[in-house]
Amino acid sequence: EADIYQTPRYLVIGTGKKITLECSQTMGHDKMYWYQQDPGMELHLIHYSYGVNSTEKGDLSSESTVSRIRTEHFPLTLESARPSHTSQYLCASSEAGHWNTEAFFGQGTRLTVV
Amino acid sequence: AQKVTQAQTEISVVEKEDVTLDCVYETRDTTYYLFWYKQPPSGELVFLIRRNSFDEQNEISGRYSWNFQKSTSSFNFTITASQVVDSAVYFCALSENSGNTPLVFGKGTRLSVIA
Repeated sequence: EADIYQTPRYLVIGTGKKITLECSQTMGHDKMYWYQQDPGMELHLIHYSYGVNSTEKGDLSSESTVSRIRTEHFPLTLESARPSHTSQYLCASSEAGHWNTEAFFGQGTRLTVV
Repeated sequence: AQKVTQAQTEISVVEKEDVTLDCVYETRDTTYYLFWYKQPPSGELVFLIRRNSFDEQNEISGRYSWNFQKSTSSFNFTITASQVVDSAVYFCALSENSGNTPLVFGKGTRLSVIA
């Protein structure tokens, strides 16, 4: 069973608010990822990290930012939420330095911006 | 560029039927990994299988089986004797560079198994 946690599970906020979605893992994984899942199911990589102080932008242009100050923690921040940010956000982690292992996913945060 | 195509958006089957979910991938890399994940209504993605590009051996796990064919760039997933609990969205994914790049997912196939 994966030990990766996302909070909150559900969030409804007003336009223009600043929010941070939390993601923590207890597996000591170096790699962490944020995916945005649109209502049509498609998953888009928005940010990833290969370790502490490493962050990269993904394929989908995003108005969010991330930080990786500790191995276990990879928060995602929206400075000014908009209705177009309404989506499900999935955090994941995987090991590094191996011939690949699978990514483990959190349960997701479903964000609604009104 | 890497790409994963799941042409079937939605599939409905009656319980106990067999069903195959198709996955076709594109990559210029020679060392890559392929994955299948299941997303039940609760929302989290659950890992099902990983296969590296050098291992074309098919795999069976209970009612699940996977057919990897490099010649057709396909990694298809079959559920035998489907059950209602199999109802979920299934994603195929690809990671290049010996699996060191982030997963790229197909658009998913929603499977509904009707009792």
